[in-house]
Amino acid sequence: NAGVTQTPKFQVLKTGQSMTLQCAQDMNHNSMYWYRQDPGMGLRLIYYSASEGTTDKGEVPNGYNVSRLNKREFSLRLESAAPSQTSVYFCASSATTGGDGYTFGSGTRLTVV
Amino acid sequence: QKEVEQNSGPLSVPEGAIASLNCTYSDRGSQSFFWYRQYSGKSPELIMFIYSNGDKEDGRFTAQLNKASQYVSLLIRDSQPSDSATYLCAVNQAGTALIFGKGTTLSVSS
Repeated sequence: NAGVTQTPKFQVLKTGQSMTLQCAQDMNHNSMYWYRQDPGMGLRLIYYSASEGTTDKGEVPNGYNVSRLNKREFSLRLESAAPSQTSVYFCASSATTGGDGYTFGSGTRLTVV
Repeated sequence: QKEVEQNSGPLSVPEGAIASLNCTYSDRGSQSFFWYRQYSGKSPELIMFIYSNGDKEDGRFTAQLNKASQYVSLLIRDSQPSDSATYLCAVNQAGTALIFGKGTTLSVSS
């Protein structure tokens, strides 16, 4: 089983460029999430989707947009990348939003220069 | 703002010892509590979850929850060098996304 698949694994962007991080899960989970992880800051929630058709802001949503394309896919878009968005991005999914543990993707290491 | 606090460490223990990792949370409405392990350069993986006050054991791991004190801990018995990693505590209420602590780095020396 693939679990949660993120693409790309690495990316370098120039300031002002845009890009979309892709995430897909094959576990029939209802809920999907995007977190960023910075040294000393832990995992911080950017956006989440409790179910297909819904999205909600997390702790650090500024500069990002998301799309829950279908039950399997949840993408994160950076419209105009900034150096402050240099981070490791993790997508995760769970059966429901709440009492279920998350399965994480392998992460995308993004550098904005 | 809801917070989850962990001592960043590093926590150093010798092989075979018990490692004790602690976590406190600010939201009294929190209902679900999780421990994730993250090796350097890898993604977090779930190792334990607990919902009720008391202890929950799974192999060498024991999670302890005290809702009155807003405290959750993870004990690792017979620690092995392969347990060396960062351990993330996470909590949430029903219907909300997990809030993670910043993690505690554990180093087990052989």
